[in-house]
Amino acid sequence: QVQLQESGPGQVKSSQTLSLTCTVSGGSISSGSYYWTWIRQSAGKRLEWLGRSHTIGSTIYNPSLKSRVTISLDTVKNQFSLELSSVTAADTAVYYCARERIYSTGSHFDYWGQGTRVTVSS
Amino acid sequence: SLELTQPPSVSVSPGQTASLTCSGDRLGEKYVSWYQQKPGQSPVVVIFQDKKRPSGIPERFSGSNSGTTATLTISGTQTMDEADYYCQAWDISTVVFGGGTKLTVL
Repeated sequence: QVQLQESGPGQVKSSQTLSLTCTVSGGSISSGSYYWTWIRQSAGKRLEWLGRSHTIGSTIYNPSLKSRVTISLDTVKNQFSLELSSVTAADTAVYYCARERIYSTGSHFDYWGQGTRVTVSS
Repeated sequence: SLELTQPPSVSVSPGQTASLTCSGDRLGEKYVSWYQQKPGQSPVVVIFQDKKRPSGIPERFSGSNSGTTATLTISGTQTMDEADYYCQAWDISTVVFGGGTKLTVL
């Protein structure tokens, strides 16, 4: 059974960089079949996809955040990470890591972490 | 860019059929997935590729997608199905979610 677990600070100061790590167990992030993804959910409950990465080096970001977001993989530790720079209060949300299965014209997320709440403070 | 529109809320009586819709431009040309989220929990996929059910998801959950509207149907709705439901699709290899529908079973 694949499990994902987010970790990182629960509070980040405005204008600084938010950094989170997702540890994967029960499966390898080096598996070619899946992408590794970050999604966030604001207090208004809307889900927002932040981006995905694959071990072959393919990384795609949400265009609305592209200049601020970085996703990277560590195949040795079987982890992947999220960095979001220049945060503001609008970045306060629950952040989820997830495994994404991609096919010809779509994808879905079959495993999710439990989520970690990050608050941006001034 | 693609926008997915869901009604904010739907109510259904136990045992009845709930139909949750998701609308978007030429949505029928894309694969749609549906997620169930209960309070304090992570989303769980209940339908993917328009109409496929992951293992462990009850048969009362079904999906369809045509034209500009995808529909999640819950037949014989149970009180345990009360949750927020989100649709999801691709927009030129990026992912878009609908705003979610709160399903109330009463």
